[in-house]
Amino acid sequence: NAGVTQTPKFQVLKTGQSMTLQCAQDMNHNSMYWYRQDPGMGLRLIYYSASEGTTDKGEVPNGYNVSRLNKREFSLRLESAAPSQTSVYFCASSEWASWGETQYFGPGTRLLVL
Amino acid sequence: RKEVEQDPGPFNVPEGATVAFNCTYSNSASQSFFWYRQDCRKEPKLLMSVYSSGNEDGRFTAQLNRASQYISLLIRDSKLSDSATYLCVVSGGGADGLTFGKGTHLIIQP
Repeated sequence: NAGVTQTPKFQVLKTGQSMTLQCAQDMNHNSMYWYRQDPGMGLRLIYYSASEGTTDKGEVPNGYNVSRLNKREFSLRLESAAPSQTSVYFCASSEWASWGETQYFGPGTRLLVL
Repeated sequence: RKEVEQDPGPFNVPEGATVAFNCTYSNSASQSFFWYRQDCRKEPKLLMSVYSSGNEDGRFTAQLNRASQYISLLIRDSKLSDSATYLCVVSGGGADGLTFGKGTHLIIQP
C-alpha cells in the first residue's frame, strides 16, 4: 500500500514550457487535491476533485489545469510555465470518518521555473 | 474568505520543556479541527484531530475553544524529534477540503 505517490520529484522548466505533474493514490479515496506551498504562504489549494469525473477550482487555479483520469489518478498541468509557478506541489487524497476529513499527502514535486 | 492564523515562530525550546501554541480561525461554521506536522522538505502528516472536549495522545494535548475560535496544542517533555512545523487545519465540511494555517516552526534544543 503506497498511499499517495507523485512524479516527478524534481523538475526544472524554462518559462513557457509545459509539463504534467502526476499523482496516484491506492486507498480508494473519492476526493483528491492539488496544493502548492511557498515560503511564508502556507499550503494553497489549486484544484480539487470531490469524486471521479468532477473537478473544481481552489484558491489559486490560474495557470493550471487538472484531469481526474480515474478514481486513482489526478494530474496537474502547467500549459505555459512562469517563474511565479516555482513552488513545491503536493497532491493529497482524503477519507471521511466520524471525526471529519483526514488528508494524506504525497511526497511533493519541487518545481523550478527559470 | 476562510482564514487560519498561527504564530510562525520559531519557538526555541530546551529538550524536556513544555511548549504550547495556538491558532485562531475565522469561519465560525467550521466543523472539524486538526494538527498536522510537517518536517523540513517533507509532506504534511496528520498529528491528531481536535475534539470539542479536548483530547490527549501521549505527550500531546489538543484543545478547542469554539466560543473564541481558537485551537491549541500542548507538547510535554519535548524531544529533539518534535522539531518540525506544526500546521493548524480547519474543515468546514465542504467538498473543498481543509484550510491550512501557515504553520508554527518549533525547534527543540539539546
